[in-house]
Amino acid sequence: AQTVTQSQPEMSVQEAETVTLSCTYDTSENNYYLFWYKQPPSRQMILVIRQEAYKQQNATENRFSVNFQKAAKSFSLKISDSQLGDTAMYFCAFVQYSGGGADGLTFGKGTHLIIQP
Amino acid sequence: NAGVTQTPKFQVLKTGQSMTLQCAQDMNHNSMYWYRQDPGMGLRLIYYSASEGTTDKGEVPNGYNVSRLNKREFSLRLESAAPSQTSVYFCASSVTAGAGNTEAFFGQGTRLTVV
Repeated sequence: AQTVTQSQPEMSVQEAETVTLSCTYDTSENNYYLFWYKQPPSRQMILVIRQEAYKQQNATENRFSVNFQKAAKSFSLKISDSQLGDTAMYFCAFVQYSGGGADGLTFGKGTHLIIQP
Repeated sequence: NAGVTQTPKFQVLKTGQSMTLQCAQDMNHNSMYWYRQDPGMGLRLIYYSASEGTTDKGEVPNGYNVSRLNKREFSLRLESAAPSQTSVYFCASSVTAGAGNTEAFFGQGTRLTVV
């Protein structure tokens, strides 16, 4: 079974700072995807960034980037120039590429990120 | 563009009552999912339907049943609600993994309280 571990229950940084959220996962599969989802107080789950395991290049989306270390099974999220609107729960998630249909995402327990003004 | 629509958004049940959570997606996705979210636990998969006509158990299926009514709709039923089922429930959908795109799109969640 796959597991996803987020070791930081809560983090707090000042606005405009850079912050890194950590995530490790465990799988015996080679084909999978990794995601970071954001959940603001509205409860909506919003995709932040996605990484395909077969791609060596780290994914980036504007101020968000990942450091994907496949051998170490590590997938950290870096938020640059943090903004007040980045305050939210952040979930790391994993899904196996089964080919015959998508299995469900496995989520970490989340990191509550607080951006201080 | 509605995406994934869940109903209801809030519900209070008494122990032993039954109810069905409804979910519909308009993105022509093959795969649909039900998750529950509890404090400090992240989201956990209850059931999923990889394609129309199939359903499979996830991590926490006990006390729940599902029906994939058609490609658009995937319902979750609690036959006899228990306080341990107090949670926020999310429905999600995604394109079949074979298409190479497994991003999941989520509904807005249902907050269920069982008293």
